[in-house]
Amino acid sequence: QVQLVQSGAEVKKPGSSVKVSCNCSGGSFANSAVSWVRQTPGQGLEWMGSIIPVYGSPSYAQKLQGRVTITADKSTTAVFMELDSLTFDDTAIYFCATSGGWWPGPADWGQGTLVTVSS
Amino acid sequence: DIQMTQSPSSVSASVGDRVTITCRASQNINQWLAWYQQKPGKAPRLLIYGAGTLHSGVPSRFSVTGSGTDFSLIINSLQPEDFATYFCQQVNSFPYSFGQGTKLEIK
Repeated sequence: QVQLVQSGAEVKKPGSSVKVSCNCSGGSFANSAVSWVRQTPGQGLEWMGSIIPVYGSPSYAQKLQGRVTITADKSTTAVFMELDSLTFDDTAIYFCATSGGWWPGPADWGQGTLVTVSS
Repeated sequence: DIQMTQSPSSVSASVGDRVTITCRASQNINQWLAWYQQKPGKAPRLLIYGAGTLHSGVPSRFSVTGSGTDFSLIINSLQPEDFATYFCQQVNSFPYSFGQGTKLEIK
């Protein structure tokens, strides 16, 4: 059974950066695609990017290109999402999710991390 | 980028009803589509994907139709636990875009 445990809630100032971690256990971490998805309050879901740890080359949503960095630590089975130059619009719940079997999209999800950008 | 359009944005139904939610892609995505269920305060839950593969633990009252650009999620014999928000997502090409969601409410 795949388990994804994310780091805790963060409060950040505009212009700063945030780094959220996602610790994976119980699955084939290195060969799975790990995606990051965010959800703004009362709004829909936005795919931010994904990485396959064994390859290490992430893909990003163009809207966030240049501000988001996704990395993987194969030794600890953790994936990280760092978002720079935060604005109020980045206030959201950030989810990580791994792919399942042959399906490349998100299958098993972390619990979510609330990031609040506030002055 | 591929745009995903869901309809309706909300629907009311009763326990035991059959409900259909549709999702349209702005270009051909073959069958690279997934459906998620989300309840308040929870992460999305993968329900069904591709030609109709149910994710682990998902009951068989959930099914899908469609290919190309037009898709439907069908929920037969609605149960109380099915009242939630449903999202579609295409994984044909990056960025993996989502529909805007359909809220299924109790009538």
